[in-house]
Amino acid sequence: GENVEQHPSTLSVQEGDSAVIKCTYSDSASNYFPWYKQELGKGPQLIIDIRSNVGEKKDQRIAVTLNKTAKHFSLHITETQPEDSAVYFCAASKAPGSWGKLQFGAGTQVVVTP
Amino acid sequence: GAVVSQHPSRVICKSGTSVKIECRSLDFQATTMFWYRQFPKQSLMLMATSNEGSKATYEQGVEKDKFLINHASLTLSTLTVTSAHPEDSSFYICSARWTSGLRSSYEQYFGPGTRLTVT
Repeated sequence: GENVEQHPSTLSVQEGDSAVIKCTYSDSASNYFPWYKQELGKGPQLIIDIRSNVGEKKDQRIAVTLNKTAKHFSLHITETQPEDSAVYFCAASKAPGSWGKLQFGAGTQVVVTP
Repeated sequence: GAVVSQHPSRVICKSGTSVKIECRSLDFQATTMFWYRQFPKQSLMLMATSNEGSKATYEQGVEKDKFLINHASLTLSTLTVTSAHPEDSSFYICSARWTSGLRSSYEQYFGPGTRLTVT
């Protein structure tokens, strides 16, 4: 089955700096790669996603890149703000097949210090 | 759009009792919903996939007789934890994919979670 590895497990950045989180996946059939932000005590919130037919997607301060050959994808957050502090999860799936089951990475605790 | 709600948000129950958690898609129809379990400082663990009108599919190691899932309509799935024990205490989260005819979204939208504490 699919295995998703996520690094780093914790990331501390100064406000205004950039943050990068990297994930690798094992199943070459995976074609959908979402990123979720989870604040303490809340459910995950979809912040950006990418499908395997594109290499990069950007939404304001966040961007995701995908390298299908190397089977890795990354989340980039620019101009970080204290409200970006949360746990970020990457995931991979073979949507819409297999009911679109997501395989999650272990998560990255991001702390943005003012 | 794409809002998923859960009820209750927190529940405390005594060991041996059963607890029901509801998951609703508020502004879309969802043929497929998912139930996850999350322990502190850990990732989400998929428990089961719930399909409207059919039996749920459970992940390996998840007891189907203990975690009863019912997906009775296109907007509601329920998870019942039967004969709960302290080790069942956890954060339970559902998610849903919208459905329109034969199409389903790639995206999964998550509910806010239910904190279950078994005493």
